[in-house]
Amino acid sequence: DVKVTQSSRYLVKRTGEKVFLECVQDMDHENMFWYRQDPGLGLRLIYFSYDVKMKEKGDIPEGYSVSREKKERFSLILESASTNQTSMYLCASSSRILHTGELFFGEGSRLTVL
Amino acid sequence: AQSVTQPDIHITVSEGASLELRCNYSYGATPYLFWYVQSPGQGLQLLLKYFSGDTLVQGIKGFEAEFKRSQSSFNLRKPSVHWSDAAEYFCAVGTSYGQNFVFGPGTRLSVLP
Repeated sequence: DVKVTQSSRYLVKRTGEKVFLECVQDMDHENMFWYRQDPGLGLRLIYFSYDVKMKEKGDIPEGYSVSREKKERFSLILESASTNQTSMYLCASSSRILHTGELFFGEGSRLTVL
Repeated sequence: AQSVTQPDIHITVSEGASLELRCNYSYGATPYLFWYVQSPGQGLQLLLKYFSGDTLVQGIKGFEAEFKRSQSSFNLRKPSVHWSDAAEYFCAVGTSYGQNFVFGPGTRLSVLP
């Protein structure tokens, strides 16, 4: 069964802490994405990556960074967490092969920043 | 730029009743269209997708959707709703290479016993 795995389902951090959210996919997908989901605001794209060591800003990159050192792993980093980053974070991946490109999502990581 | 609208924020139906969730998109080229479902506290699961061909597509859990190019719509339907269908439903448009996805705001479905 194909999978996108997010390392932590629930995290509680304090303001100013550095936070790492890890995501691993086992489908050999080229594309990986980090979304943030908040009530009433839907899914908003933070960063995406089309290849190893590649990254592109999405709609709301401020306060976040990412790392993609291996094809299967895409990490989201909050350098100094703030309360307004309390949210559900969703990782997803997709294939770049023509006509196959739906997104596969992880279970989500719910982050609370106190 | 592409966009997706889902006019209904919240829909309530009785168990056993039929369901239609609306989705309208704006996209300059051939759209790749998707419906996802999200149960509380979970990630999104693909229900169905349309790339080309037959405009009526079948998905999992008894759902189907019809692509109507003239109306820029991709409405989701189910003939008989089950209590377990209560969830949030997202329509999305993407490109042929699995990139540039745009999601609608979602429709929350409640099911009455």
